[in-house]
Parts: sequence; structure tokens; C-alpha cells
Amino acid sequence: QVQLVQSGAELKKPGASVKVSCKASGYMSTNYGITWVRQAPGQGLEWVASINFFSAKTSYVQNLQGRASVTADTSTHTGYMELRSLRSDDTAVYYCASGYYIFGKLLLESWGQGTLVTVSS
Amino acid sequence: EVVLTQSPGTLSLSPGDRATLSCRASQSVSSTYLVWYQHKPGQAPRLLIYSTSNRAAGIPDRFSGSGSGTDFTLTISRLEPEDFAVYYCHQYDKSPQTFGQGTRLEIK
Repeated sequence: QVQLVQSGAELKKPGASVKVSCKASGYMSTNYGITWVRQAPGQGLEWVASINFFSAKTSYVQNLQGRASVTADTSTHTGYMELRSLRSDDTAVYYCASGYYIFGKLLLESWGQGTLVTVSS
Repeated sequence: EVVLTQSPGTLSLSPGDRATLSCRASQSVSSTYLVWYQHKPGQAPRLLIYSTSNRAAGIPDRFSGSGSGTDFTLTISRLEPEDFAVYYCHQYDKSPQTFGQGTRLEIK
């Protein structure tokens, strides 16, 4: 199984940007990816974005398109999620998750420990 | 998008009881891409069941999943104290991938 370690908690002001990292280790196939999921306080899980490390193909939830970017550094097996123009409702724990592809779709087998992003003035 | 509706919202049971959690999809979902997670406060979600009915590595056999189309079920045959948590179903068949709102399993 892949192990995922995320960067630490962030406190940001409205309008600022945040970049969260997720470093993967352990067994990985040549074709792997990372999905980002967030959980706002008292809420459920929400898919944010995904990236395939091999093809660099990305996808985003519609309501974050234009503000979110996911990238990957294949040399260090690290994924990044940047969120710009932060708003108070972006306050959440952000998880990265990975696993293996089943007919081209990524099963989220392993999860990072989560990164709390707090947006407050 | 596919809306996943989980029921009940909260389930109050005792250790040793059987738990049955439901996940209903607003449109048909391939059973290959329907999974269940267990989530405890302060921890990462833990994959329990993938492809509707396959237990993930290290998951005890008291956990089982079933279903097809729009109706899926997670069953915990005999609850252990460590099973009290929030459970989410998740579909990644159709974009955007979506999660149910969760079922909170609490000690009665």
C-alpha cells in the first residue's frame, strides 16, 4: 500500500492562496494518481480534484474550477493542491488519497493524515 | 451528478448488534466503482469495501457489502466497540465522483 504524508496546518486570510503537499512512498505502479478530498467542519466528504502522475491529466469539481490547481512532481512522488482567492467556506481538512486504477478509475485505498486549512481574517 | 443518499443518518446500536447501512444512488452506478469508508474523528478515512462487496486488506470479515444499480448496503454482522464511527459510501463511476452524507453509528 502507498503511504501518504501531507504538509502541516495552514492559517490564511480571505483572498490569499494556499498550497498543500502530499508525498507518496511505498509500492507504486508506474501509473498512479492522487485525489484530493475535503471535509468542512461538521460536514461530509467532498471530492475536490484528481491528477494522474503518468499522464498529468487533471479533473476538478465544477464549483472550484478556476481557483484550484493540482500538480505533481514525479521525481519526488509528491502531489500539490493550490487553492486561490480563499474564502471562509474553504475552511476544511484537506485529504489526499491514492491507490490503484481499476479500468482507468482511481480507487482511493490509502489516505493522508489530512491538512487543516483555516481561512479567517 | 450522482447523489448518494445514506440512511439512516444516525444508527444507535449496542456492541454485538448487527448494523445495516444503506446507500441509494440517484442514478445507476457500476458496482465496480462503489466503495465504503469508515471515518473516525481526527483520523483519515479508512477503506472498508471496494467494488461493492470486496473487503480491503486487513478488514475483518464482520464487514460485508452488497448491492447493485442504485441500492447498496454495508452490513456489520456483530458490532465491536471500535466500529462506532461515521460511514461513507462513495461512487467514482460517474464524474464528478461523489460521497454520501454519511451514517453515524453510535453506541446505544
